[in-house]
Amino acid sequence: AAGVIQSPRHLIKEKRETATLKCYPIPRHDTVYWYQQGPGQDPQFLISFYEKMQSDKGSIPDRFSAQQFSDYHSELNMSSLELGDSALYFCASRRRAGTGELFFGEGSRLTVL
Amino acid sequence: KNEVEQSPQNLTAQEGEFITINCSYSVGISALHWLQQHPGGGIVSLFMLSSGKKKHGRLIATINIQEKHSSLHITASHPRDSAVYICAVTLNRDDKIIFGKGTRLHILP
Repeated sequence: AAGVIQSPRHLIKEKRETATLKCYPIPRHDTVYWYQQGPGQDPQFLISFYEKMQSDKGSIPDRFSAQQFSDYHSELNMSSLELGDSALYFCASRRRAGTGELFFGEGSRLTVL
Repeated sequence: KNEVEQSPQNLTAQEGEFITINCSYSVGISALHWLQQHPGGGIVSLFMLSSGKKKHGRLIATINIQEKHSSLHITASHPRDSAVYICAVTLNRDDKIIFGKGTRLHILP
C-alpha cells in the first residue's frame, strides 16, 4: 500500500541557503502536518493544511513557508538557513473523515553546515 | 504542565519481560495515537484509539476516556522492540495533534 512519501530523505545545506522539502500524502488524505524534530527532542508542530488551505500554525519561523497543492502534496520552503534548523522534518497525513488514522513519512533529514 | 504526559521517560528491561508504558492527557481528544520511532529512524503509527482496546501481535493498547489515560503493553519483549514510544493525541477542538515526550525503551538480550 502507498505510504507518505517525503523527499529528499537527506539534504545538506550551508548557512543562509534555501531548502525545499516535499511531502506526498497517502491518496485521498486531505490533511497534512509538518513537524520538526531536533536531535534528542520530541517532534514540534510547524504547520498543517486541510483541503489545500492552511488549517493551523505552530512554531514555524517566519523564514519558513509552506503550501499544499491541488494534488494534495505539500512543500516546506526554508530560507536563510541557520545551524539550528538542522533536524528531521516529518510530514504526516490523514483523512479527516473515516478513521482519521495518522500516517507518517520517514522524514527528511536536513543538515545545515 | 504538558497536555500529554508519558511515563516512564526511560525504561530498561530484560528480554521476555512484560512492558507497560503509560500516557495521560488533560485535554478533550478525538483520538489517541501510539507511535514508535527507532533510533535515527522515522515514525511508525502502531495504534489509533478512540475507545477500548486494540491488539496487534505482541502489542496491546488500551484507553480509558473517563480517566484520560492510555497504556501500551508489550508482551514477551524482544531487543528489536527497543525504540522510543510516543503517545500523541488529536484534539477535538481544532484537530491539532499534540505529542508526548516519548518513552525510551531498551530491551536487553
